[in-house]
Amino acid sequence: SQQGEEDPQALSIQEGENATMNCSYKTSINNLQWYRQNSGRGLVHLILIRSNEREKHSGRLRVTLDTSKKSSSLLITASRAADTASYFCATDETGGYNKLIFGAGTRLAVHP
Amino acid sequence: GAGVSQTPSNKVTEKGKYVELRCDPISGHTALYWYRQSLGQGPEFLIYFQGTGAADDSGLPNDRFFAVRPEGSVSTLKIQRTERGDSAMYLCASSPMGGVAGELFFGEGSRLTVL
Repeated sequence: SQQGEEDPQALSIQEGENATMNCSYKTSINNLQWYRQNSGRGLVHLILIRSNEREKHSGRLRVTLDTSKKSSSLLITASRAADTASYFCATDETGGYNKLIFGAGTRLAVHP
Repeated sequence: GAGVSQTPSNKVTEKGKYVELRCDPISGHTALYWYRQSLGQGPEFLIYFQGTGAADDSGLPNDRFFAVRPEGSVSTLKIQRTERGDSAMYLCASSPMGGVAGELFFGEGSRLTVL
C-alpha cells in the first residue's frame, strides 16, 4: 500500500525555472522525507522534515509541511538539467515500526 | 565508507525457479529494509529488520517470499517458484537507528526479470 500521493505525476520545465511538487498523505506521521531517484538507480535522501516543523531549507530545496492538511511540498529553485529525476515523498506513520511508506513519485524533466 | 551493496545487479530467471538477492548494508547500521519497485511506481515496503529479527514482514506478498539476516548484517531475500509478476527492481536500504525513522541509505537495487 502507498501512503503518499504526489502531484503532478510528471512535470516538464526549462532550466532556471522553479519546480514544485506536492505530496498528500493519510495518517498521522512522525516525519516526512523526500527522495530522488535517477532512472534505474537507487534512491537518494534529500531532506527530512519533522511533524513539528513547518518549513525546511537545504541548498536549492525548500520543503513545507502542513499537518492539518496532511500535505507537503518540495520546491527546487533555479532548476538544472541534472535535476531531471523522479522525486518521492515518504512518511513514517506515528506508532509504526519505523518503516517508510513511499508515494508514486513525480517525474521531473528539466530541459536545457 | 562503502554504501549499501546489492548483488546481483541484474537477474534473469525462468518462471518457477528459485532466486536469492543479497544486501550488504552500511557497517554498523542496525535497521535494514527491503522494498520492491515496479516500473513507474514508488517503492513498496516488503520487510524490515532490526538486528537479526524481522520486526515487520507485513509487506511480503505471499509465502513464496522470505528474507533472513542471520548475523544482523547481510540480508538475503529469497523468492521461491518465481512468477512473471515478480519482475521488478528490489531495493535494499539500511539505517543506523531504530525507533523513529530517519534517513534511509539505499543500494542500487537488483533488477529481477522472470521470463
